[in-house]
Amino acid sequence: DSGVTQTPKHLITATGQRVTLRCSPRSGDLSVYWYQQSLDQGLQFLIQYYNGEERAKGNILERFSAQQFPDLHSELNLSSLELGDSALYFCASSPLVGGGTDTQYFGPGTRLTVL
Amino acid sequence: GENVEQHPSTLSVQEGDSAVIKCTYSDSASNYFPWYKQELGKGPQLIIDIRSNVGEKKDQRIAVTLNKTAKHFSLHITETQPEDSAVYFCAASSRDAGSARQLTFGSGTQLTVLP
Repeated sequence: DSGVTQTPKHLITATGQRVTLRCSPRSGDLSVYWYQQSLDQGLQFLIQYYNGEERAKGNILERFSAQQFPDLHSELNLSSLELGDSALYFCASSPLVGGGTDTQYFGPGTRLTVL
Repeated sequence: GENVEQHPSTLSVQEGDSAVIKCTYSDSASNYFPWYKQELGKGPQLIIDIRSNVGEKKDQRIAVTLNKTAKHFSLHITETQPEDSAVYFCAASSRDAGSARQLTFGSGTQLTVLP
């Protein structure tokens, strides 16, 4: 158990809908990362937050957005969902950005199915 | 951006034998190389990582080697056991001026240890 929690575990929804995925980082971790894992694209970095501020953006679609709250939990919002958005979404956290303390620990993931 | 290639995509070994998985990366600025193990239905679990100021690192049956000149790094598992069966991912990362770090993953290796 990495200490990172994600809810819900599974999510089934229809095309065009909007969903919110939630992540709680390990106690004391300030940085949160979101990744998407699909069969054809593998594990891809979406976005990073550090202590409430966006720090890095990867291959994140404009229909997707994220935020990190004062209590450090993070939410990933996916809107206007398409069939191709079906994937596993992982959250990872690390203590600090810098030095030897930026190792990323992954949560169990949310499996999103868009019908 | 960074590109990470991983080989082989599948690997079967007899219990007790060694397994080697190789990765190459493209960005010479990359300085952090973690390896993750992903079991079915779970999130990636960090098993070992290496930073660019080190050529080799060992942790019991697992070792990682890094050749910065050739831009490749490898995972070595000795005395394999059935519970080592999983998908293994390599990743590479550099830290930008804003202290953001994103991981670029290889495509994964399905390791099967045959009893």
